[in-house]
Amino acid sequence: SSELTQDPAVSVALGQTVRITCQGDSLRSSFANWYQQKPGQAPLLVIYGKNNRPSGIPDRFSGSSSGNTASLTITGAQAEDEADYYCHSRDSSGWVFGGGTKLTVL
Amino acid sequence: QVQLVQSGSELKKPGASVKVSCKASGYTLTSYAMNWVRQAPGQGLEWMGWINTNTANPTYAQGFTGRFVFSLDTSVSTAYLQISSLKAEDTAVYYCARVVGASSLSWFDPWGQGTLVTVSS
Repeated sequence: SSELTQDPAVSVALGQTVRITCQGDSLRSSFANWYQQKPGQAPLLVIYGKNNRPSGIPDRFSGSSSGNTASLTITGAQAEDEADYYCHSRDSSGWVFGGGTKLTVL
Repeated sequence: QVQLVQSGSELKKPGASVKVSCKASGYTLTSYAMNWVRQAPGQGLEWMGWINTNTANPTYAQGFTGRFVFSLDTSVSTAYLQISSLKAEDTAVYYCARVVGASSLSWFDPWGQGTLVTVSS
């Protein structure tokens, strides 16, 4: 099975822009999805496909990809965006998750 | 609204079995495949496998064969995860998640609220 690699931790100043990246071979042939997980809660889908937001997800969340790298960008990060973020994609065996990135909003 | 509601926390002794349920509402269970995801304490998300809700055919990820069984009861719109011969390292939160889309464009939504399984003597 393939792997998706994320930076373990990223920080951003309140109101600034942050990009969280995800690398893996499966991203060359499958779209990345992104989930937000806050302590004690289930993961929540924030971006799916090329750059689609489910209903209720603020438009400050956006996704992009190039080659084997996918990115989640938060433009104007808010305090409530502090959470763990996981990338996810289809691979040859089924599905795979990245190791997660802990986002701290300063 | 579309919702997955899981059974409550479990405390089990090593060697015992546990069965976690995931009840779907707001849609027809057999219209979408169901996945299971494990999250050990302080760790990331790990895909365990999925079950075809039309055929009840399960597919298990590497590392989740033998002691793990996915099943369905379509009459009550519920998917199940059973783990036998429990070990301390099975202590984790287990999530069910519906898969939407197909092939390279597929995602998990919604997720159940999670079920904490604690294995301790």
